[in-house]
Amino acid sequence: KAGVTQTPRYLIKTRGQQVTLSCSPISGHRSVSWYQQTPGQGLQFLFEYFSETQRNKGNFPGRFSGRQFSNSRSEMNVSTLELGDSALYLCASSLGLLAGGSGETQYFGPGTRLLVL
Amino acid sequence: AQTVTQSQPEMSVQEAETVTLSCTYDTSESDYYLFWYKQPPSRQMILVIRQEAYKQQNATENRFSVNFQKAAKSFSLKISDSQLGDAAMYFCAYRSQEGQGFSFIFGKGTRLLVKP
Repeated sequence: KAGVTQTPRYLIKTRGQQVTLSCSPISGHRSVSWYQQTPGQGLQFLFEYFSETQRNKGNFPGRFSGRQFSNSRSEMNVSTLELGDSALYLCASSLGLLAGGSGETQYFGPGTRLLVL
Repeated sequence: AQTVTQSQPEMSVQEAETVTLSCTYDTSESDYYLFWYKQPPSRQMILVIRQEAYKQQNATENRFSVNFQKAAKSFSLKISDSQLGDAAMYFCAYRSQEGQGFSFIFGKGTRLLVKP
């Protein structure tokens, strides 16, 4: 099976712009989660989507949003970019089972490195 | 809210020797899952090992094993016969089921250096 893919791999934007990142999960996985990774804060959970519905959300401002399509592919959008949004954005997919089994294991993509100037 | 703490920012080990990375967590849940992930420099995060809290037996994957102490809320990773390819950031993670779905809560990570 192909792994989790993320596009683009690198992005450079300026303050005030918006950006959309894309994630394609492993075939058969219905849950997609997004994380922001920075040297100072580490890995922080943004949100999780399952079957096109946001099922859980971390403590990020409303400028961070996402969606999931019927084929489980997910996009994350950041509006009005700030310098502090520079980070590696990781997407992870899983079967999304809430109880039992191996479905809770998340598999990560290579990430999108965003630089805001 | 759950928290995950990795108290060792950096560890080093000689090739072929054994090293243990520490992780403690705090939770009020009785059933949960714990993970160790490895992130090599500029490379993808990969799963090393996982542990179900309801299982008393410690998980093992080849050279990697855990020491899971549920009462102490401790989840350490032991790497035996260390290899140069083991050099990476190691993250301990807790799978939280707060809310409608789930999220992973990660520790800050431990950088493992392997000396030849």
